[in-house]
Amino acid sequence: NAGVTQTPKFQVLKTGQSMTLQCAQDMNHEYMSWYRQDPGMGLRLIHYSVGAGITDQGEVPNGYNVSRSTTEDFPLRLLSAAPSQTSVYFCASSPDVRQPQHFGDGTRLSIL
Amino acid sequence: GQQVMQIPQYQHVQEGEDFTTYCNSSTTLSNIQWYKQRPGGHPVFLIQLVKSGEVKKQKRLTFQFGEAKKNSSLHITATQTTDVGTYFCAGAPDGNKLVFGAGTILRVKS
Repeated sequence: NAGVTQTPKFQVLKTGQSMTLQCAQDMNHEYMSWYRQDPGMGLRLIHYSVGAGITDQGEVPNGYNVSRSTTEDFPLRLLSAAPSQTSVYFCASSPDVRQPQHFGDGTRLSIL
Repeated sequence: GQQVMQIPQYQHVQEGEDFTTYCNSSTTLSNIQWYKQRPGGHPVFLIQLVKSGEVKKQKRLTFQFGEAKKNSSLHITATQTTDVGTYFCAGAPDGNKLVFGAGTILRVKS
């Protein structure tokens, strides 16, 4: 049982490059979300999805896109990376928003 | 701004001392969740509180949900070095958006 799988674990980008962070879950969860974690800021919600074909913005959506074509996958796209997007990114899933969230191991992203 | 506030940001205690972190929401929450994140790890679910005034215990950890369902606390009795990490509360004050507090970093001196 893999749970929530995030790839890659580490990535270094140059300003202006684009990239997709992958997130997959094998628990048939409807609710999936992306957070970024910065020192002193806790976990801030970027985008979330309540099911395939449905996505919505979180607290800090600017500079990021998401799609949810299947129940299992919820990729996060950085269209034009900026140094302010240097962070640790976590993907989470659960049956719905009021159930316990299962987190992936995170992607550590540095943008130079 | 952040709808779920958490204090303190940081606490350094001597092993054996107690520790408490507090969480406050600007709106009523249907439930509140607590998570622990070890250094270098990912958040791991600890517990969920649903009822007004609810109190739950897990060994040395005591969780409370306020009567108005706007505040919560996590209390650790007699901290141990294994308690080190960041503790987060989380709630959904706005529909399907699960919002986390900024977290309280706990360090334990042995």
